[in-house]
Amino acid sequence: DVKVTQSSRYLVKRTGEKVFLECVQDMDHENMFWYRQDPGLGLRLIYFSYDVKMKEKGDIPEGYSVSREKKERFSLILESASTNQTSMYLCASTGTSGRVGELFFGEGSRLTVL
Amino acid sequence: AQSVTQLDSQVPVFEEAPVELRCNYSSSVSVYLFWYVQYPNQGLQLLLKYLSGSTLVKGINGFEAEFNKSQTSFHLRKPSVHISDTAEYFCAVSLPSGGSYIPTFGRGTSLIVHP
Repeated sequence: DVKVTQSSRYLVKRTGEKVFLECVQDMDHENMFWYRQDPGLGLRLIYFSYDVKMKEKGDIPEGYSVSREKKERFSLILESASTNQTSMYLCASTGTSGRVGELFFGEGSRLTVL
Repeated sequence: AQSVTQLDSQVPVFEEAPVELRCNYSSSVSVYLFWYVQYPNQGLQLLLKYLSGSTLVKGINGFEAEFNKSQTSFHLRKPSVHISDTAEYFCAVSLPSGGSYIPTFGRGTSLIVHP
């Protein structure tokens, strides 16, 4: 089975700190995504990547950046965390063949910014 | 751009009753449609999907959904729910974008099953 692993389930950071959220998938998927999940707002796409060193902005990229140096790893970076970035962050991946369009999710990283 | 509307933010239901979670989408081109489920403190997992072919799609845990192109709907149904079905349900649409499928999610429907 596909496994998407997010490095931290729970994080507490202070305003202004730099935050790294790591995501690793083991199925050689080309596409990887970072979503933010907030009550009543569903999942909102922050960034996605369809190849190593490639990145595309999603719907809410402000305040975030990403890095994809290896195919299996996709990192989300908050350069200077703010309280309005307190949220659940979900990483997902999908391939371009086989189970087309189906996303495989990690368990999420719940970030609290104080 | 495509959009997805889940018409109910919360659906309370008694155990063993039938349930329907509604999803409408807007798109001018062919789409792929998905329902995902999220149990508390977990990531999302796929319930079922429609890519092409039969408009009635069966998924895991006894759920099914029907694709209606004329009404641009993809409603999720289960004839008899269990307490364990209490979860958040997300409808999603995928469109091709530069060779990849970029999914758009609805805001979610919280299914609450009461004993």
